[in-house]
Amino acid sequence: EDQVTQSPEALRLQEGESSSLNCSYTVSGLRGLFWYRQDPGKGPEFLFTLYSAGEEKEKERLKATLTKKESFLHITAPKPEDSATYLCAVQALRETSGSRLTFGEGTQLTVNP
Amino acid sequence: DSGVTQTPKHLITATGQRVTLRCSPRSGDLSVYWYQQSLDQGLQFLIQYYNGEERAKGNILERFSAQQFPDLHSELNLSSLELGDSALYFCASSVDRYYSGNTIYFGEGSWLTVV
Repeated sequence: EDQVTQSPEALRLQEGESSSLNCSYTVSGLRGLFWYRQDPGKGPEFLFTLYSAGEEKEKERLKATLTKKESFLHITAPKPEDSATYLCAVQALRETSGSRLTFGEGTQLTVNP
Repeated sequence: DSGVTQTPKHLITATGQRVTLRCSPRSGDLSVYWYQQSLDQGLQFLIQYYNGEERAKGNILERFSAQQFPDLHSELNLSSLELGDSALYFCASSVDRYYSGNTIYFGEGSWLTVV
């Protein structure tokens, strides 16, 4: 069974204080690893998809990296508007899985001004 | 705006009742997914339809059913509702090209409160 574990559960940063969120995963054949941002009461907003170990993607203050066992979301010089829950999810290569995403519990990020 | 449209946004109903949640996928997307998000369980996959056919099934209760229509919109039917069914129900869609990229976009969700 696919599993995704995110750490820490919650993270408080001061504005400008860089940090990283961790996503550890187990899946029998990775089709893709996804990062989403979710604001309270809203739908997950797509950020990145990573497909193979060593791949990196960047968007503004966010950078996602992937190894064979985990992914990191690096946040550089965060601003208060980066406060949200960040979700990691995996998509398996198994035909029987369809294209479902298996999500972690998320990291709740708060950036204080 | 992801392009995935869900209705209704909010719904309050009594135990034992039945409700239908509706989803219109992004233009051109063939796959529709349903997820449930409750406070204590995170995002749980319920079911996926691809071009009208069931593609994958998750932890969907027997009281719940879904379908995807020829125009690709989808409905999730929840019956014999219990208090524990109160949650945010998300619809998502994707083009679903197997063995290549497959970004999944989520709607804003339907808040269901069972009283």
